[in-house]
Amino acid sequence: GENVEQHPSTLSVQEGDSAVIKCTYSDSASNYFPWYKQELGKRPQLIIDIRSNVGEKKDQRIAVTLNKTAKHFSLHITETQPEDSAVYFCAAYMNSGGYQKVTFGTGTKLQVIP
Amino acid sequence: ETGVTQTPRHLVMGMTNKKSLKCEQHLGHNAMYWYKQSAKKPLELMFVYNFKEQTENNSVPSRFSPECPNSSHLFLHLHTLQPEDSALYLCASSQSTAVEAFFGQGTRLTVV
Repeated sequence: GENVEQHPSTLSVQEGDSAVIKCTYSDSASNYFPWYKQELGKRPQLIIDIRSNVGEKKDQRIAVTLNKTAKHFSLHITETQPEDSAVYFCAAYMNSGGYQKVTFGTGTKLQVIP
Repeated sequence: ETGVTQTPRHLVMGMTNKKSLKCEQHLGHNAMYWYKQSAKKPLELMFVYNFKEQTENNSVPSRFSPECPNSSHLFLHLHTLQPEDSALYLCASSQSTAVEAFFGQGTRLTVV
């Protein structure tokens, strides 16, 4: 089955600096890679995603890059703000028998220091 | 609100109790999921229902029993749980042909 590894498990940055979180996956059949943000006590929410036919996607301060050959994808947050502090999860989806199979990473706790 | 509602938000139960978690979605989605979120572990997919049919059961112990009476409602029946089953249980829904999953707030379960 699919295996998703996420690094680092914790990350502290100064406000205004950039943060990068990386995930690797094992199954080349995975074709959709979302990133979820989970604030303390709240539900995970989708913040950005990328499909396997795209190498990079950007939405304001957030960007995701995908390297299909190396089977890794990364979340980039620029000009970090205290409200970016949360746990971030990556995931890898594949279509199996017409249905989606998903594997999540272990999460990265991001702390933005004012 | 996200349109995915879970009840109860918190549950404490003894190992001999029987309880049920409920999930309801008002998004018109046809796929629903149960996830388990434990401390320091990745989100674990437990069950997947597509059009009310169970399509995934990721080696979940039989003390967890899902039920999907229709595409808007999903239950997780619990019986004779163990303390290690204490976790946040998250429900999610999506269109089976798309992938974005919308999560509920979760039920914080404590087994004593």
